[in-house]
Amino acid sequence: NAGVMQNPRHLVRRRGQEARLRCSPMKGHSHVYWYRQLPEEGLKFMVYLQKENIIDESGMPKERFSAEFPKEGPSILRIQQVVRGDSAAYFCASSPWFEDHLGETQYFGPGTRLLVL
Amino acid sequence: DQQVKQNSPSLSVQEGRISILNCDYTNSMFDYFLWYKKYPAEGPTFLISISSIKDKNEDGRFTVFLNKSAKHLSLHIVPSQPGDSAVYFCAAKKSSGDKLTFGTGTRLAVRP
Repeated sequence: NAGVMQNPRHLVRRRGQEARLRCSPMKGHSHVYWYRQLPEEGLKFMVYLQKENIIDESGMPKERFSAEFPKEGPSILRIQQVVRGDSAAYFCASSPWFEDHLGETQYFGPGTRLLVL
Repeated sequence: DQQVKQNSPSLSVQEGRISILNCDYTNSMFDYFLWYKKYPAEGPTFLISISSIKDKNEDGRFTVFLNKSAKHLSLHIVPSQPGDSAVYFCAAKKSSGDKLTFGTGTRLAVRP
């Protein structure tokens, strides 16, 4: 059973460009979470999605950031008109349906490290 | 507002001895707690978790203790091994499906 997949692992963008980060959850997982880790800080929640639905986007910046989890394909975190402050590691996590205690655990991908020049 | 706190940014332990990592939280609505280990340039790896209805959970060398009245949990690693050297994050959540709130991490170094 493959783990959570994220690509690209590293992404370099110039200010003003768009960044697209992709996440494929573990097989059988229907819940996807995005977190951001700024240098020397812990992980901060951004958004929680289920297939075709955004459940909680309370951690998303109000502008330039959007996320989707379509019926088919990976979840996408999109950052428009990137600025230097967007440089960070972006992690995706997935979890299964919450039928039992196992559903409480979120499993993380390797992350995408975004560098904005 | 840091709802989950790891007050020790670093910890150094001799191989074979016990490592104790601490975590405090302020939100009494949290009912599920997790510990993750993270190596540089990798994603967090799930280690162990505990529900608020328990006060202890053990898995091999790892044991997590929860003191609800003190809003405190700890991770014990015994015996510590050099491969345990990593950053350890404590995380908490309020209900099934809710987001994780992370502490700022403790960097553990296990000396051979």
